[in-house]
Amino acid sequence: DAGVIQSPRHEVTEMGQEVTLRCKPISGHNSLFWYRQTMMRGLELLIYFNNNVPIDDSGMPEDRFSAKMPNASFSTLKIQPSEPRDSAVYFCASTLNAAGAYNEQFFGPGTRLTVL
Amino acid sequence: AQSVTQPDIHITVSEGASLELRCNYSYGATPYLFWYVQSPGQGLQLLLKYFSGDTLVQGIKGFEAEFKRSQSSFNLRKPSVHWSDAAEYFCAVGGDSSYKLIFGSGTRLLVRP
Repeated sequence: DAGVIQSPRHEVTEMGQEVTLRCKPISGHNSLFWYRQTMMRGLELLIYFNNNVPIDDSGMPEDRFSAKMPNASFSTLKIQPSEPRDSAVYFCASTLNAAGAYNEQFFGPGTRLTVL
Repeated sequence: AQSVTQPDIHITVSEGASLELRCNYSYGATPYLFWYVQSPGQGLQLLLKYFSGDTLVQGIKGFEAEFKRSQSSFNLRKPSVHWSDAAEYFCAVGGDSSYKLIFGSGTRLLVRP
């Protein structure tokens, strides 16, 4: 298995531009997570999808952030407009969330976003 | 409140020396505990996990961790550190009724030649 795939690996953009991060979870996994990692705040859960449905988006910082999961093999995290404080590493993770079981989350390599 | 504390921000050990990374948690229900490792520029990789049973769990790369309920701790150990172990280590806690993982702030391990 290729693991969780994220693209791009690096993104440099200017303040005010739209940014779209992409994630392909591991085939067969039914849960997907978007995290943000910064020095100041560590790893923060932004949003959680189960069976393509957003279950918890309480970690999404503000309306500039949106996430979609149109099918089981693809998710996007969009920031519009982007701001310098959005600079961080964004991780996608997936797992098979079966009833009565808690399985490990598999992380992608991350997208390093720099907003100038 | 649910939380994970990793009291050591940085730890430096000599290659071949033993290692212990500390993790304390606060969780209202039965905790599921994890240790992840993050190498520079990489995502997080699971080292080991504890759900139930034997409180000493073995993981990959020669790591082990011991769950001590009375101390609310889940410390990570390795008897002999290799230079390739230099990375950041994250402890995390979750529960059987929650999909959320709560991560600690991480401990950066430096290995002296």
